[in-house]
Amino acid sequence: AAGVIQSPRHLIKEKRETATLKCYPIPRHDTVYWYQQGPGQDPQFLISFYEKMQSDKGSIPDRFSAQQFSDYHSELNMSSLELGDSALYFCASSPDLVAGAITGELFFGEGSRLTVL
Amino acid sequence: QQQVKQSPQSLIVQKGGISIINCAYENTAFDYFPWYQQFPGKGPALLIAIRPDVSEKKEGRFTISFNKSAKQFSLHIMDSQPGDSATYFCAALAGGTSYGKLTFGQGTILTVHP
Repeated sequence: AAGVIQSPRHLIKEKRETATLKCYPIPRHDTVYWYQQGPGQDPQFLISFYEKMQSDKGSIPDRFSAQQFSDYHSELNMSSLELGDSALYFCASSPDLVAGAITGELFFGEGSRLTVL
Repeated sequence: QQQVKQSPQSLIVQKGGISIINCAYENTAFDYFPWYQQFPGKGPALLIAIRPDVSEKKEGRFTISFNKSAKQFSLHIMDSQPGDSATYFCAALAGGTSYGKLTFGQGTILTVHP
């Protein structure tokens, strides 16, 4: 079965550089979520999109922005990178907003590991 | 502060034993409690979930027990197997206002020895 595809899987950047992570949800899933997981930490919700509109926002720094495109894929843009941004970034999708809101049934990708040097 | 508190941080169990992971929450707006299993280098995967109107839910070797008055819930893994070795996260969701905004516990690293 198709899963959530994230790219790149690994990314190394210098401080103050920018990075873009991409997420391709499971086909026919129109809701996308971004989570950040620091080393040994639990995943922290960043932002979510439903039908290309932002549906909820968590502890996402102002240096980060995200959007969902017409084909439902999403991109997370991170600028002025800091050492503390080094983490695993997970994208998840759900069949629709209700499924994500009511059942918590999110399907996670394998993550993009960002290392900031 | 951590809205969902999970314990223990790590757990070692012998094959065939019972693994028990506990979680507690404060926010009474939470109305859905999923458990996720995460293997190294992989994303979390939904394991089992429960609503607060149910005190227990069982799926195969996995059981969630829920105590609404105490605001606590736990995961029991019966007949634990080495393949169960992973990190387990409890989570909570305020379904009416949060669209997939899961609040995770700190995670429990489970090791099952053969």
